[in-house]
Amino acid sequence: QITLEESGPTLVKPTQTLTLTCTFSGFSLTSSGVGVGWIRQPPGKALEWLALIYWNDDKRYSPSLQSRLTITKDTSKNQVVLKMTIMDPVDTATYYCVHTVVTSSYGHYYYYYGLDVWGQGTTVTVSS
Amino acid sequence: DIQMTQSPSSLSASVGDRVTITCRTSESISDYLNWYQQKPGKAPKLLIYGASSLQTGVPSKFSGSGSGTDFTLTISSLQPGDFATYYCQQSFDTPFTFGPGTRLDIK
Repeated sequence: QITLEESGPTLVKPTQTLTLTCTFSGFSLTSSGVGVGWIRQPPGKALEWLALIYWNDDKRYSPSLQSRLTITKDTSKNQVVLKMTIMDPVDTATYYCVHTVVTSSYGHYYYYYGLDVWGQGTTVTVSS
Repeated sequence: DIQMTQSPSSLSASVGDRVTITCRTSESISDYLNWYQQKPGKAPKLLIYGASSLQTGVPSKFSGSGSGTDFTLTISSLQPGDFATYYCQQSFDTPFTFGPGTRLDIK
């Protein structure tokens, strides 16, 4: 059974860097075809995809946030870490980590199976 | 980025009804379209992947169809637990994008 759990601060000040950790079980990020990503949802608003890291350490970021995001993995701890710099009140949201199955062919990635398992989410408020 | 629209934005229905939600993408995504259900205070749950494939454990009252740019989610025989917000999402390519959501509530 795959599970993911997010952890990190509930309150950060404007201009600070947010560090969120996703601790997972039931799979390995060293196994081919696995990806872990981050999604966020401001209060009362829709979902926004942020970043994805692959089993082979390749990474993808939201173009609008790319300059502020860094995603890394620690396979020995079964963790994925997301850092977001220069936090602003508009970044107040619930942040989710997700598992996805990825296939690759001729250098292109395919994500046919959706975001199949989600963590419960962690709420982050940005305020002075 | 691939833009997503959903209609209606909200929908009122009665227990036992059948409802359909539509999702449209700004460019063709083949069948790389997924549907999620989200209840208040909970994480989204994958219902349908690949436009029409039912995720394991999801009841067959949920069904999806479509390809290219136009997709639908149909929910038959609505039960109280089905009243939630539904999102479509394209996984054709990153950046993944979501629709704005359809809120389904009890009439």
